[in-house]
Amino acid sequence: KQEVTQIPAALSVPEGENLVLNCSFTDSAIYNLQWFRQDPGKGLTSLLLIQSSQREQTSGRLNASLDKSSGRSTLYIAASQPGDSATYLCAVEGNEKLTFGTGTRLTIIP
Amino acid sequence: NAGVTQTPKFQVLKTGQSMTLQCAQDMNHNSMYWYRQDPGMGLRLIYYSASEGTTDKGEVPNGYNVSRLNKREFSLRLESAAPSQTSVYFCASSEWTGRSPLHFGNGTRLTVT
Repeated sequence: KQEVTQIPAALSVPEGENLVLNCSFTDSAIYNLQWFRQDPGKGLTSLLLIQSSQREQTSGRLNASLDKSSGRSTLYIAASQPGDSATYLCAVEGNEKLTFGTGTRLTIIP
Repeated sequence: NAGVTQTPKFQVLKTGQSMTLQCAQDMNHNSMYWYRQDPGMGLRLIYYSASEGTTDKGEVPNGYNVSRLNKREFSLRLESAAPSQTSVYFCASSEWTGRSPLHFGNGTRLTVT
């Protein structure tokens, strides 16, 4: 059974810093990996989707990488802003559909 | 463009009562999903519909039923609510399973007393 882990559970960084969020998964037989953000009391917003054949995807200040062989993905956020404060979740899609991690709660300190 | 719309936003039920959570998407997506989100457990898939006319069980289907009413609408029914079903429920849709990003609604917060 696929298991997705995100460490740390919470992270605080000063505004302007670059940061990396980590995601690991146990079964490398995946179709894709997705990163989402969730604001309090809201649904999830898709940030990036990396197909299993890809190594990375970029959108603005966000860059996500995928290493299927090691079961790892990272989400890099450049020049962090207070508006980036949210919970970030990764999810891998395979035969069991999407399996989510429990997220990293990110706080950007002005 | 509304995206994925869920109703109601909040609901309180007594044990044994029934209710239906409604979900509609206006993006012409083929696949739709129901998840529940519980503290410390992440999101877990209840049921999904890969395309109109099909439904399949996810990780935690017990106590729930679904109906894919048409391409736009996918409802989740609790026939006899239990306190263990207290959760936040999210509906999501994607163009196709396996290769498209998911779009989520804002959730229904359900409390069963």
